[in-house]
Amino acid sequence: DAGVTQSPTHLIKTRGQQVTLRCSPKSGHDTVSWYQQALGQGPQFIFQYYEEEERQRGNFPDRFSGHQFPNYSSELNVNALLLGDSALYLCASSLVARDVYGYTFGSGTRLTVV
Amino acid sequence: DQQVKQNSPSLSVQEGRISILNCDYTNSMFDYFLWYKKYPAEGPTFLISISSIKDKNEDGRFTVFLNKSAKHLSLHIVPSQPGDSAVYFCAAISSKVAGANNLFFGTGTRLTVIP
Repeated sequence: DAGVTQSPTHLIKTRGQQVTLRCSPKSGHDTVSWYQQALGQGPQFIFQYYEEEERQRGNFPDRFSGHQFPNYSSELNVNALLLGDSALYLCASSLVARDVYGYTFGSGTRLTVV
Repeated sequence: DQQVKQNSPSLSVQEGRISILNCDYTNSMFDYFLWYKKYPAEGPTFLISISSIKDKNEDGRFTVFLNKSAKHLSLHIVPSQPGDSAVYFCAAISSKVAGANNLFFGTGTRLTVIP
């Protein structure tokens, strides 16, 4: 049984570009949350998707947007990349929104903005 | 504003001894606390949790203690094993805030268990 799958694993982008990160949740899970982990920091909540809608959002600018598809997979899009967007982006899936105990994290996408 | 803090970036312990990882929080609305373990190139994995109605929760070698008045929790690992070497994150969530489904993480403590 596959866990959470994130792609790509590593990515290098130039400042000002746009990037799309992808996440396939664990089988049976319907909720996807995205976190940003900057170097030396803990993961910070970006947003959560359930039933193809953004249910909650953290303190991130509108340059960060997302989408959830009918098969529960999700995308994270970041526009107008800044050097400070360089981080590990983690996707976590769960069966229901508040089931943090049931969170399964992916291995992340390492984004480097140059 | 860092609402969950782990003030020790690293900790080294001899195999077989006790490891104590500490975590402080500022938001009194937090009522569930979790510890995650993270190996390099892997996502965080859930380790143990505690509700604010308890002051201790034990699972095998792992015990979490909560001191609500001090807004402090700690993770004890006894005995420590080399396989415990990883980064440990403390996280918190509030069930009291409507629609609040996100975890607040600390900055992590890198534990090294020396054989």
